[in-house]
Amino acid sequence: AAGVIQSPRHLIKEKRETATLKCYPIPRHDTVYWYQQGPGQDPQFLISFYEKMQSDKGSIPDRFSAQQFSDYHSELNMSSLELGDSALYFCASSLGGNQNSPLHFGNGTRLTVT
Amino acid sequence: AQSVTQLDSHVSVSEGTPVLLRCNYSSSYSPSLFWYVQHPNKGLQLLLKYTSAATLVKGINGFEAEFKKSETSFHLTKPSAHMSDAAEYFCVASLDNFNKFYFGSGTKLNVKP
Repeated sequence: AAGVIQSPRHLIKEKRETATLKCYPIPRHDTVYWYQQGPGQDPQFLISFYEKMQSDKGSIPDRFSAQQFSDYHSELNMSSLELGDSALYFCASSLGGNQNSPLHFGNGTRLTVT
Repeated sequence: AQSVTQLDSHVSVSEGTPVLLRCNYSSSYSPSLFWYVQHPNKGLQLLLKYTSAATLVKGINGFEAEFKKSETSFHLTKPSAHMSDAAEYFCVASLDNFNKFYFGSGTKLNVKP
């Protein structure tokens, strides 16, 4: 079965650079979630989209933005990168408006800021 | 207020002994509940889910969980731990149809040989 695809798997950037992470949800899933997991930390919710509209917002820095496109894939744009942004970034998808639909996670993008 | 509480941040068991990871939820609504496992540097994998059907739910890798409404609990169990079960486990709740998930703080399971 098709899973959530994230690209790239690894990304190395320098401070103050920008980065774009991509997420392709499971087919027919219309809701996408972004999570950040720092070293030894639990996943922290950043932002979610349902039917291309922002659905919920968590602890996403103002330097970050995201959107969901007409094909339901999503991109997380990160600017003015800081050392503290180094983390594993997960995307998850689900079927929106359905309480019983679980989150399906991608394998993550590991961002290293030097 | 909606919330999920995992009662133990760390659990250590010996290989071949039972595993119990505890999860309680707080909600005014009927929840859907999920357990996920995360191995180091990997994504979260769905172990099992409760969605108001059978209260005893069987998942992958021999895990199961029982939904107890009276206790607002959804504890994860496995009869016999394997070394490969060492990982972090997250209890997650969906408490409405508004695309919001509530995470517990995770339980790290250590399995001793």
